[in-house]
Amino acid sequence: QSVLTQPPSVSGAPGQRVTISCTGSSSNIGAGFDVHWYQQLPGTAPKLLIYANNNRPSGVPDRFSGSKSGTSAALAITGLRPEDEGDYYCQSYDYSLSGSLFGGGTRLTVL
Amino acid sequence: QVQLVQSGAAVKKPGSSVKVFCKASGGTFSRYAISWVRQAPGQGLEWMGGIIPIFGTTKYTQKFQGRLTITADESTDTAYMELSSLRSEDTAMYYCAGRLGVADTEEFDPWGQGTLVTVSS
Repeated sequence: QSVLTQPPSVSGAPGQRVTISCTGSSSNIGAGFDVHWYQQLPGTAPKLLIYANNNRPSGVPDRFSGSKSGTSAALAITGLRPEDEGDYYCQSYDYSLSGSLFGGGTRLTVL
Repeated sequence: QVQLVQSGAAVKKPGSSVKVFCKASGGTFSRYAISWVRQAPGQGLEWMGGIIPIFGTTKYTQKFQGRLTITADESTDTAYMELSSLRSEDTAMYYCAGRLGVADTEEFDPWGQGTLVTVSS
């Protein structure tokens, strides 16, 4: 089945580190397609956070990092800040769908 | 970098159609492929389909085949998304998103501000 699975929620205290996983399959991440991550703050449009597995667009702090291995990817956020609260989505290409696929999203709460 | 500005919110009756535009400014529209992504209230992101304006080629996800039409007008740097036979489940925020180049595997950047479509009798 062509899905990208993310945990519904993660939380952490200010200054802590959290990771968000994104698990795919052999038709998407496992096939070698890049994983991209988006941040969606409350009431706003998604914003590109990490592209091509582990690259940050200009202006994205180095507190955000990405990794990929096998059929999974992960987003790590260090030095958590209250303004990081929001939803985070992974995205990849799926060849069985012949199109883009988003994970279900993860709600980050900064305690 | 190009910016994408979308049309305003719309309220539609079940069974009708909606057409949303996405206008590019500040960059070269022809370098981008435009996709449409929707987000139902309280839900995640869902890729609907896209267009490569310089080629006029479109791709739609199976779920929307037959109801979705994506077009582009290079003379006005504008892409359009038309969804027909609307039902209440189509109530959502609709985003256009640009992809530099033609590869389907690339990231979406930039995004439009979103257009809220409400389907209600």
